[in-house]
Amino acid sequence: GENVEQHPSTLSVQEGDSAVIKCTYSDSASNYFPWYKQELGKGPQLIIDIRSNVGEKKDQRIAVTLNKTAKHFSLHITETQPEDSAVYFCAVLSMDTGRRALTFGSGTRLQVQP
Amino acid sequence: DAGVTQSPTHLIKTRGQHVTLRCSPISGHKSVSWYQQVLGQGPQFIFQYYEKEERGRGNFPDRFSARQFPNYSSELNVNALLLGDSALYLCASSLGGAEETQYFGPGTRLLVL
Repeated sequence: GENVEQHPSTLSVQEGDSAVIKCTYSDSASNYFPWYKQELGKGPQLIIDIRSNVGEKKDQRIAVTLNKTAKHFSLHITETQPEDSAVYFCAVLSMDTGRRALTFGSGTRLQVQP
Repeated sequence: DAGVTQSPTHLIKTRGQHVTLRCSPISGHKSVSWYQQVLGQGPQFIFQYYEKEERGRGNFPDRFSARQFPNYSSELNVNALLLGDSALYLCASSLGGAEETQYFGPGTRLLVL
């Protein structure tokens, strides 16, 4: 099955700095890559996603890049703010026949210091 | 519009008991997926239902079962609870068909004593 590795596990930045989280995956047939933000006591919130026919996607301060050849994708947050502090998960859509199951990375705890 | 709703929010059970968790998807969404999130880890896929049919199952024992109703809401059942079943159970809603985007509910936190 699909294997997703996420780094780093923790990331501390100063307010206003950029943050980058990276993920690698194993199944070259995977073609959908969402990122979720999870705050304490809440469910994961979709913040951005990318499909395999696109190399980069941006939404205000958040961007995702995808390298299908190398099987890795990254989340970039610019001008970080204290409210960006949360756990971030990358995910990959497994392409097993008929189902749309997400395989998640192990998460990155981002702390933005004011 | 209301997002994905789940009930109950918290639940405490003892080993050997049975539990039923409920999920209502976003209006218009026909697919529901269930995930288990153990503290400190990413969610793990349990089941997916689309148009009331099971479309996929993760690596979980037969103690776990689920179903989807005609109104697209869903139940997750776990029998013979073990301490290791303590986790946050998440429901995700999607349009279904070829649409991949999944939106998560707030989860049900289950504690097994």
